[in-house]
Amino acid sequence: GIQVEQSPPDLILQEGANSTLRCNFSDSVNNLQWFHQNPWGQLINLFYIPSGTKQNGRLSATTVATERYSLLYISSSQTTDSGVYFCAVDPQGGSEKLVFGKGTKLTVNP
Amino acid sequence: NAGVTQTPKFRVLKTGQSMTLLCAQDMNHEYMYWYRQDPGMGLRLIHYSVGEGTTAKGEVPDGYNVSRLKKQNFLLGLESAAPSQTSVYFCASSYAGAYEQYFGPGTRLTVT
Repeated sequence: GIQVEQSPPDLILQEGANSTLRCNFSDSVNNLQWFHQNPWGQLINLFYIPSGTKQNGRLSATTVATERYSLLYISSSQTTDSGVYFCAVDPQGGSEKLVFGKGTKLTVNP
Repeated sequence: NAGVTQTPKFRVLKTGQSMTLLCAQDMNHEYMYWYRQDPGMGLRLIHYSVGEGTTAKGEVPDGYNVSRLKKQNFLLGLESAAPSQTSVYFCASSYAGAYEQYFGPGTRLTVT
């Protein structure tokens, strides 16, 4: 099956710093989603981004489907950005099910 | 508009006991999913449903059963709990297959 790899596995930042999280996938996909799991465990959908670039406040995401990767940018990070960021893909072939990466754990220190 | 809700939030079971987790959504979504999350493993799909009255197996279905008698509810059952089923269980829903998924708050289950 498709492999979804996220890097780095862990990231520690000072408040105000910028960061880039990467998601590589091994096969063609119909779409890709980014999620944030906060320290209390709640999973929030950040982006639905099969291709191109989207922005939402300090966060933006870019997916280059032909090269099989997606990037999540966090600018001017805040302590509330801490948590685990997951990317998930829907492989081409009609599975209609998401396959999740193992996540990037982000810690933003004040 | 509560989104996706799960009950209970926490549960402790003894080996061999049974229980049912309830997921409810008020967004009129067709698709619903049950995942489990274990440390270092990400989220793994247990079972899913593409509409009322339908269910299908995911990546790790063994030891679990599901039912979708009403469109808004998706139940996950453990007939004979095992310590390996200690995990955090998440329910999610989406308008259609692999559209944006919305997650419930999770249920933390411990099997002793």
